Amino acid sequence: AQSVTQLGSHVSVSEGALVLLRCNYSSSVPPYLFWYVQYPNQGLQLLLKYTTGATLVKGINGFEAEFKKSETSFHLTKPSAHMSDAAEYFCAVSDRRPGAGSYQLTFGKGTKLSVIP
Amino acid sequence: DTGVSQDPRHKITKRGQNVTFRCDPISEHNRLYWYRQTLGQGPEFLTYFQNEAQLEKSRLLSDRFSAERPKGSFSTLEIQRTEQGDSAMYLCASSPSGGGSGNTIYFGEGSWLTVV
Repeated sequence: AQSVTQLGSHVSVSEGALVLLRCNYSSSVPPYLFWYVQYPNQGLQLLLKYTTGATLVKGINGFEAEFKKSETSFHLTKPSAHMSDAAEYFCAVSDRRPGAGSYQLTFGKGTKLSVIP
Repeated sequence: DTGVSQDPRHKITKRGQNVTFRCDPISEHNRLYWYRQTLGQGPEFLTYFQNEAQLEKSRLLSDRFSAERPKGSFSTLEIQRTEQGDSAMYLCASSPSGGGSGNTIYFGEGSWLTVV
C-alpha cells in the first residue's frame, strides 16, 4: 500500500520569500507523483506532476518540484512567494504498476500555506 | 473548455434522508472518479469508472452509497439514509484513457454535504 506524508500542516512565509513544502512517499516501486493546489471552497488544480524523465519538474505559477528516489521525496518549491499563493497544497501519488488500484490517487493530508505581507 | 461540473454545490439534509449528486466530466474523458474530502484531510478515493463500467470501489463506499454512470457520460452518487459522518465534500474528477495512471486527473469544484 502506498502512503504520502506531508511535513507541516501549516507553513507561513513572508511575501517574496522561498516556499518549500515537503512531501515524502512510501512505496515499494517509485510511483507517479503529483502536486495539487486547492483554494478555499474550490476543487483541486494540478500544479505539476512527475511520471518519467527529468527529475526536476516545472509547473504552473512558478512552482517546481524535484523527485529524489534515494530520499523518497518530491518537495515543492517556489523562489518567491506571492500573496496569491495562499492556499492548501496536496501531494499525491498513483501506482505506476498496472493492476487494481493503479488509477487511484493517494493524497497526503495537505499543507496550508499562508503568505505574510 | 468546460471543466468537470458538479451539482449541487451545497446540500444540507436531515439525517436519514437520501441525497444524490451529479457529475458531468470533461466531454472526451472516459475515466471518471469520485473522492470524498473531510475538513483537514486530503481527498480519499471512493470509486472509478471506465466508460459505464464501475471498475474499482473503495471499502469507504458502504452499502448506503451507490454510484452510476449509465451511458458513460455523466455520473451520479447517491447516499441513502444519510448519517452525520457523511458530512464532507464529494469531489468528482475525470481523465482521458491511455497513458496509464500517470494521466492528469481533473477535478470539479466539489459538492458540499452537511447532514444535520
